[in-house]
Amino acid sequence: GAVVSQHPSWVICKSGTSVKIECRSLDFQATTMFWYRQFPKQSLMLMATSNEGSKATYEQGVEKDKFLINHASLTLSTLTVTSAHPEDSSFYICSARGWSGAGYEQYFGPGTRLTVT
Amino acid sequence: SQKIEQNSEALNIQEGKTATLTCNYTNYSPAYLQWYRQDPGRGPVFLLLIRENEKEKRKERLKVTFDTTLKQSLFHITASQPADSATYLCALDLSGGGADGLTFGKGTHLIIQP
Repeated sequence: GAVVSQHPSWVICKSGTSVKIECRSLDFQATTMFWYRQFPKQSLMLMATSNEGSKATYEQGVEKDKFLINHASLTLSTLTVTSAHPEDSSFYICSARGWSGAGYEQYFGPGTRLTVT
Repeated sequence: SQKIEQNSEALNIQEGKTATLTCNYTNYSPAYLQWYRQDPGRGPVFLLLIRENEKEKRKERLKVTFDTTLKQSLFHITASQPADSATYLCALDLSGGGADGLTFGKGTHLIIQP
């Protein structure tokens, strides 16, 4: 089946530093990947849509200069949280759009827990 | 305003019974509706997808219904087991085919008691 990995699985950083999170589709190519954020006991909120070779599309209220997304290949998208602050602490989850045989589906990664101190 | 509501934050069911979870939405017209399972500290795992022109879908012990008039989906787990304990998320695919991101509900925390 389609597998999506994320690295790192958790990270702790100091306020003001930047953190990069990788999302990889391991056994399929994904022209579209998505980044979500989930706060405790809350729903996953879509942050941005990442298309290979083009600029990401950000949801309303998400700062594109703070959350830099790069989708340089068909199997890798990265999210960089720049100048992180404690309020950026959250669970970041990516998904990749792939063909299931019966239609397109989104396959989710295991998530990255970011804690900013 | 647009919203997705899932029934109660926690649902306690006795092992062997059928668990029924509800997803209601307002001011959306999803092409697809999906159900996911999420365990603590993990990403969502896809369970079932149902299209707007489908009434019911089954997969092993799982069954999903979709009523676009009521704007409601019901998710059933029959012969529930403690291993089914998790948070179940309802998600709307507005465009169909996953071309856009999904819109998620907050989830229902299901607890199956032995």
